[in-house]
Amino acid sequence: RKEVEQDPGPFNVPEGATVAFNCTYSNSASQSFFWYRQDCRKEPKLLMSVYSSGNEDGRFTAQLNRASQYISLLIRDSKLSDSATYLCVPAMDSSYKLIFGSGTRLLVRP
Amino acid sequence: DADVTQTPRNRITKTGKRIMLECSQTKGHDRMYWYRQDPGLGLRLIYYSFDVKDINKGEISDGYSVSRQAQAKFSLSLESAIPNQTALYFCATSDRTETNTGELFFGEGSRLTVL
Repeated sequence: RKEVEQDPGPFNVPEGATVAFNCTYSNSASQSFFWYRQDCRKEPKLLMSVYSSGNEDGRFTAQLNRASQYISLLIRDSKLSDSATYLCVPAMDSSYKLIFGSGTRLLVRP
Repeated sequence: DADVTQTPRNRITKTGKRIMLECSQTKGHDRMYWYRQDPGLGLRLIYYSFDVKDINKGEISDGYSVSRQAQAKFSLSLESAIPNQTALYFCATSDRTETNTGELFFGEGSRLTVL
């Protein structure tokens, strides 16, 4: 079983839609959780950290369920610029032991 | 100018050749990393370094070596390149503070093709 599993997509949604991605992780010792965004042929960039039971940053909401070992990302009011691949990243310790998922691709159409 | 700079950005080479990918950063971070990205596999850690005298193997270090020449420079070498090392390579840095947010700062990537 992969350490981090994500639906590769693509999720194809119209502008303004709400879309959610799930991610499951296998290591119950994971302590920190992050979502990164990666545009096509570009480097990954931190989108948001996931704290305790979840947090919100504008149109983005991240949720963590430790008991079921999954993390979710909800994007409301999708914009064309949200089109990207979203990487789920649990971490054993801060920084050096980040385990990157292979990502979920989102396409937002006009 | 980019805070994390990788050279070369693209390289095509032949099996058996020695290749060096270089990374330099102006962020003043102590920690530096090398990852490779393959389709469907995500980013995998090759080596990481917490300071000039501290270098550690990641999950896929076989066939690679690194050198931390200075705080700002971390190079990755393939002593004898093979086709399955064809991938997109990323250098990254992070801060060591206790309140580390898990944020890595990536370079723009080096696309390596081994024929």
